[in-house]
Amino acid sequence: EDQVTQSPEALRLQEGESSSLNCSYTVSGLRGLFWYRQDPGKGPEFLFTLYSAGEEKEKERLKATLTKKESFLHITAPKPEDSATYLCAVQAWGAQKLVFGQGTRLTINP
Amino acid sequence: GAGVSQSPSNKVTEKGKDVELRCDPISGHTALYWYRQSLGQGLEFLIYFQGNSAPDKSGLPSDRFSAERTGGSVSTLTIQRTQQEDSAVYLCASSLNVVSYEQYFGPGTRLTVT
Repeated sequence: EDQVTQSPEALRLQEGESSSLNCSYTVSGLRGLFWYRQDPGKGPEFLFTLYSAGEEKEKERLKATLTKKESFLHITAPKPEDSATYLCAVQAWGAQKLVFGQGTRLTINP
Repeated sequence: GAGVSQSPSNKVTEKGKDVELRCDPISGHTALYWYRQSLGQGLEFLIYFQGNSAPDKSGLPSDRFSAERTGGSVSTLTIQRTQQEDSAVYLCASSLNVVSYEQYFGPGTRLTVT
């Protein structure tokens, strides 16, 4: 069974304090690993897709990396507006559904 | 362009009543998905539609849940004889096709069963 575990559950940082969120996964055959951002009361907002180990993608202060067992979302010099829940999901070959982790609730204090 | 839209945004219903939730996917997207997000459960897959193919209903939790997609566009998720455990946020997503398969989510419908 495909499974995604995210850590930590919650993370509180000061503005400018860089850190990383972890997403560990087991999947029968990885088609894609997805990162989403979710603000309270809203639907998940697509951030990145990673397809193979060694791949990296960047967007503003966020960088996502992928290994064969886990993905990291690195946040560099975060701002309060980066506060949100970050969700990781995997899609297996031959499947269309996404399997989500429980998310990491990130709070950036000014 | 316009994103995925869902209606209503909030729905409060009494236990035992039927409810219908609507999803309008992004124009031109052929794949449509329903997920449910509840406290402590995270996001769980319910059903998937692709074009005119038979839907993948493998995530529907019981036979009280059903969904249809008319004309390859709008979808309706129906929950019959609602129970309190059905209370959750129901999210719809669409993707362009099976090759370009990033899923884009709507704002969700928050369902409360009293």
